[in-house]
Amino acid sequence: EAQVTQNPRYLITVTGKKLTVTCSQNMNHEYMSWYRQDPGLGLRQIYYSMNVEVTDKGDVPEGYKVSRKEKRNFPLILESPSPNQTSLYFCASKGLDEQYFGPGTRLTVT
Amino acid sequence: TQLLEQSPQFLSIQEGENLTVYCNSSSVFSSLQWYRQEPGEGPVLLVTVVTGGEVKKLKRLTFQFGDARKDSSLHITAAQPGDTGLYLCAWPYRGQFYFGTGTSLTVIP
Repeated sequence: EAQVTQNPRYLITVTGKKLTVTCSQNMNHEYMSWYRQDPGLGLRQIYYSMNVEVTDKGDVPEGYKVSRKEKRNFPLILESPSPNQTSLYFCASKGLDEQYFGPGTRLTVT
Repeated sequence: TQLLEQSPQFLSIQEGENLTVYCNSSSVFSSLQWYRQEPGEGPVLLVTVVTGGEVKKLKRLTFQFGDARKDSSLHITAAQPGDTGLYLCAWPYRGQFYFGTGTSLTVIP
């Protein structure tokens, strides 16, 4: 089954404790992306990657890092999480036309 | 400032009613996409419109791209409870995707 998987699905952490949210796709897509979704602000793009070893900033990259060492994986790293990074995070991958989203990771930073 | 403005923000209707939601901007777009997001899930692409004046139909859903390519609408005929969800428009541009804030639709049985 073609899919984008994210782990963990839910995470509660404390300010300053580094964390990584993993994202993996099995569709051999070159393009992958991370978004955060907040009430009243909609979906905003954090980072995207057009191919392996190529990453670019989206609208809201501050406080986040990504890496794309292999085509199928695109982890999101929060080096020092803060409460304003509490949000619902989505990973996505895209083939020729359609963007496929993962199920989301709900992150709470206290 | 939001690049894509969606209206209404919330909509609650009875099963069987028709409805239209809107996606507007002051900018001209090469294309626009519509997504539906169900509670607890990621968005799912419904359609991409690329030509001014274009109309696309997906069963009971009709999507229209404005002649000037600054706006788009989604019309649902005879809404069903399964249509409940968040409807998002998005502009894909050079690898980036800009989303509207969405219209949250509830269809009451």
